[in-house]
Amino acid sequence: GESVGLHLPTLSVQEGDNSIINCAYSNSASDYFIWYKQESGKGPQFIIDIRSNMDKRQGQRVTVLLNKTVKHLSLQIAATQPGDSAVYFCAENMGNDYKLSFGAGTTVTVRA
Amino acid sequence: NAGVTQTPKFRVLKTGQSMTLLCAQDMNHEYMYWYRQDPGMGLRLIHYSVGEGTTAKGEVPDGYNVSRLKKQNFLLGLESAAPSQTSVYFCASSYSPRAGIRNQPQHFGDGTRLSIL
Repeated sequence: GESVGLHLPTLSVQEGDNSIINCAYSNSASDYFIWYKQESGKGPQFIIDIRSNMDKRQGQRVTVLLNKTVKHLSLQIAATQPGDSAVYFCAENMGNDYKLSFGAGTTVTVRA
Repeated sequence: NAGVTQTPKFRVLKTGQSMTLLCAQDMNHEYMYWYRQDPGMGLRLIHYSVGEGTTAKGEVPDGYNVSRLKKQNFLLGLESAAPSQTSVYFCASSYSPRAGIRNQPQHFGDGTRLSIL
């Protein structure tokens, strides 16, 4: 079936640099997308979401970009900090009953 | 405000044993979900509920049963545990659609780590 996937399983970033995490989705009918952060031993933590009627949404140090033409989603983290080290998942709405389909995740490691 | 609470946090079972995983949320959410997470994979939906007294199958429902007798609780049962059910189980909850807002983010607990020998 259709599902969300991430381009790269790992990303190493220098502290202070900006991070970009990418995600490709295949369901053109999806209209809602979420980014989650998961730290070791914890559950996924909501970061930011975006609806398909938007191209960009900003939060605190994070920006999500949605390109519906190529079915691509990205999460940008500004001035990456050691506390940003985690696994990041994108998820898309699966339609009825608001079920989410998750990608496999990108592990972000911040270098001091 | 505790959010989503899962119990137990860890459990080891023998093949064929049964157990129930408990999930409680204090956010008055209508929708609740059970996922499993395996190494290198994203979360896969097992069962979900859109309201008290209702449940539905997700992507990987076989070998599991659920019940939603109270709005704040969602129980996941394994009747006869198998090694393939060794996983980390996450419960999540969310609001139902509201006027002008069709989608709502899901909020997760910290998981139950289950090993079946």
